[in-house]
Amino acid sequence: SYVLTQPPSVSVAPGQTASITCERKSIGSESVHWYQQKPGLAPILVVYDDSDRPSGIPERMSGSRYGSRAILTISRVEAGDEADYYCQVWDSSSDQMVFGGGTKLSVL
Amino acid sequence: QVQLVQSGPEVKKPGASVKVSCKASGYTFMSYYIHWVRQAPGQGLEWMGIINPSGGRPDYTQKFQGRVTITRDTSTSTVYMELSSLRSEDTAVYYCARSLGKYSSSSFDYWGQGTLVTVSS
Repeated sequence: SYVLTQPPSVSVAPGQTASITCERKSIGSESVHWYQQKPGLAPILVVYDDSDRPSGIPERMSGSRYGSRAILTISRVEAGDEADYYCQVWDSSSDQMVFGGGTKLSVL
Repeated sequence: QVQLVQSGPEVKKPGASVKVSCKASGYTFMSYYIHWVRQAPGQGLEWMGIINPSGGRPDYTQKFQGRVTITRDTSTSTVYMELSSLRSEDTAVYYCARSLGKYSSSSFDYWGQGTLVTVSS
């Protein structure tokens, strides 16, 4: 099965840079998408197709991909960035969408 | 504006079935896939299945094969997710979400507000 591995938690001080990784079990060409979810709310898309940002998402949030590793980078972290972040890919070999386990970002 | 509005919370007994609706508005219903995703309390996101409102067979993740049925009503721009043989582990918030594509452009740009389904005797 297709597995996406994320660190359970990342902590960062305000104003610093947070990097959240998403490792894929196998190297594939499928694009990675990232979601932010705050307590009690539906997830929102923050990065799609590895590195594109939907309108309304601040430039402080960016995505990149190097081989089997995708990274969500949040620059100049603010208290309001505290949330759970999930990566996602469509696994074309099994025709299924797969989510990573999620990373809780804590702002110290 | 684009909206996916889901039906209200449900409380079901073990063994029963639940049917959750997702009504789309503000865009061309046939142009976007609809997915169902669930989230158990304190847990991560779990994809359940997908339907193309234009037609074709829905796809389901293997875990829910035989228990989940996703349908659509094009006359009301509504997608339904029915889960049968409910057990306590199915207690979760169920979300619908849309994507432009399946293999590409597969990101979920809009989500429903979520529907809490509680399974309890």
